[in-house]
Amino acid sequence: EVQLVQSGAEVKKPGESLELSCKGHGYIFANSWIGWVRQVPGKGLEWIGMIYPGDSDTRYNPSFEGQVFISADKSINTAYLRWISLKASDTAIYFCARHGFLRQQVAYADSWGQGTLVTVSS
Amino acid sequence: ATQLTQSPSSLSASVGDRVTVACRASQVIGTNLAWYQHKPGKPPNLLIYDASILQTGVPSRFSGSGSGTDFTLTISGLQPEDFATYFCQHFNIYPYTFGQGTKLEFK
Repeated sequence: EVQLVQSGAEVKKPGESLELSCKGHGYIFANSWIGWVRQVPGKGLEWIGMIYPGDSDTRYNPSFEGQVFISADKSINTAYLRWISLKASDTAIYFCARHGFLRQQVAYADSWGQGTLVTVSS
Repeated sequence: ATQLTQSPSSLSASVGDRVTVACRASQVIGTNLAWYQHKPGKPPNLLIYDASILQTGVPSRFSGSGSGTDFTLTISGLQPEDFATYFCQHFNIYPYTFGQGTKLEFK
């Protein structure tokens, strides 16, 4: 069974750094893109970006580029989402999701982590 | 970036009803569109991809159609567990944006 397990909830202060993790189980982690999605409380879903763990090829939503950093360690089947300096506006639930291919192109996100709530408050 | 606009933003219906949610793209995206069901406190659940392919394990009362810029998700015979928020997402070019969501509520 494919499963993505995310790290636990975080409470941070503005300016602090943070790294979330997402560990894949039940499939060849290196061979599927892993994406990150944000949901601000009461709002919709926003695609942050994604990484191909096999070669660490990374794509970002321009709205998030430079604000967060996506990485992966295929040796331990884990992807990461990292902030250097958090803002209150980063308060949200963050999901990781495995992306699948159709016709050699990414076409859907079929398995999702449980989500990690990040609260940034002074 | 390609914008996705869903309509309606909210929808009231009853068990057994047939409902349709629309998703319009700001540019042509072929059939590179997926639909998800999202319930509070849970991750999104993939329903449809490539505009019309039903994800394994998803009940056949869910269906999707469309290509180019206009897409629809139809639920035929609403069940109590279907009351949730539905999102479309395109996979045409980066960034892979989502629609703003359609909240399906009990009438």
